[in-house]
Amino acid sequence: SQQGEEDPQALSIQEGENATMNCSYKTSINNLQWYRQNSGRGLVHLILIRSNEREKHSGRLRVTLDTSKKSSSLLITASRAADTASYFCATVSGNTPLVFGKGTRLSVIA
Amino acid sequence: EAQVTQNPRYLITVTGKKLTVTCSQNMNHEYMSWYRQDPGLGLRQIYYSMNVEVTDKGDVPEGYKVSRKEKRNFPLILESPSPNQTSLYFCASSAFTGGLPRGYTFGSGTRLTVV
Repeated sequence: SQQGEEDPQALSIQEGENATMNCSYKTSINNLQWYRQNSGRGLVHLILIRSNEREKHSGRLRVTLDTSKKSSSLLITASRAADTASYFCATVSGNTPLVFGKGTRLSVIA
Repeated sequence: EAQVTQNPRYLITVTGKKLTVTCSQNMNHEYMSWYRQDPGLGLRQIYYSMNVEVTDKGDVPEGYKVSRKEKRNFPLILESPSPNQTSLYFCASSAFTGGLPRGYTFGSGTRLTVV
């Protein structure tokens, strides 16, 4: 049961530009989380936003949540080559465990 | 250091030969889970456990077994591996706040090849 769906599937930008990734989901949620995965490695938790929050910041990351549209976005400002990775959104709904989307592959070109 | 430890990192085995992938966490997390990751399919949950002696099936449990006898350990057992279980496997754990999982901590992954 794939809940979140990221868009675009792949994104290529120049170093210093901003990167925006979107996530849409189907059912009501308790919270939504974003993760980063470097090639073949384990996922790393970036940020969690609760259903009653609209925006959250962490360093160069900004996450927004629109529960009326069932969507979230992750903005990475002033991207660096080290930001090259796959980014996943994941949702928590009721008692069901975290359900991940298929991810956005971000390439930051130096 | 807070972490989830999976072993082995790489494993090549033959069809039908039972194997166990171990997972251990040192954060006293209640929740543990196994995922498999395949190209084009993303992460799919195999089994999860809300606490000791409590396990539940995820989206793709067929061909797998788990046990949660201790809070820190959550091994994944393949009784009779088949080539379609060739995949990258991740173990993850999380604490709960207000009955909901917080951010997950993932292990480094186990790349399994079944020939």
